Amino acid sequence: GENVEQHPSTLSVQEGDSAVIKCTYSDSASNYFPWYKQELGKGPQLIIDIRSNVGEKKDQRIAVTLNKTAKHFSLHITETQPEDSAVYFCAATPNSGYSTLTFGKGTMLLVSP
Amino acid sequence: GAVVSQHPSWVICKSGTSVKIECRSLDFQATTMFWYRQFPKQSLMLMATSNEGSKATYEQGVEKDKFLINHASLTLSTLTVTSAHPEDSSFYICSAGTRDRGNGYTFGSGTRLTVV
Repeated sequence: GENVEQHPSTLSVQEGDSAVIKCTYSDSASNYFPWYKQELGKGPQLIIDIRSNVGEKKDQRIAVTLNKTAKHFSLHITETQPEDSAVYFCAATPNSGYSTLTFGKGTMLLVSP
Repeated sequence: GAVVSQHPSWVICKSGTSVKIECRSLDFQATTMFWYRQFPKQSLMLMATSNEGSKATYEQGVEKDKFLINHASLTLSTLTVTSAHPEDSSFYICSAGTRDRGNGYTFGSGTRLTVV
């Protein structure tokens, strides 16, 4: 089955800096890669996703890149703000909306003012 | 956007009682419903997957007689924790998978269960 590795487990940055979180996956059949933000006591919220036919996607301060050959994808947050502090999870699946998502172990991002 | 309503957000119950958690997809039809359990500072652990009108498929190590899942319609799924014990205390989250709206998954807001 799919295995998703996520690094780092914790990341501390100063407000305004950029943050990068990296994930690798093992199943070449995976074709959908979402990123979720989870605040304490809440469910995960989708912040951006990418499909295997695209190499990069951007939404304001957030971007995701995908390297299918190397089987890794990354989340980039620019101009970080204290409200970006949360746990971020990457995930992968071969059949979006139907198959199980395999999650990484999460990255706790702390943005200091 | 797609919304999944999960209730209750928190519940405290006594050992031996049963608790039902409900998840509703408000504006779309959920092809598949996933139920997760999350321990503090850990990732989401898949408990079971269910399709409307079918029996749920449980992950290895998850007791199907203890965690009863019902997916009676394309907009409603329930998880019942039967004869709850303190070790069942956890954060439970549902996720609705859909082929609508470009595919994807929408998560509920989670339920904090505390068994005393």
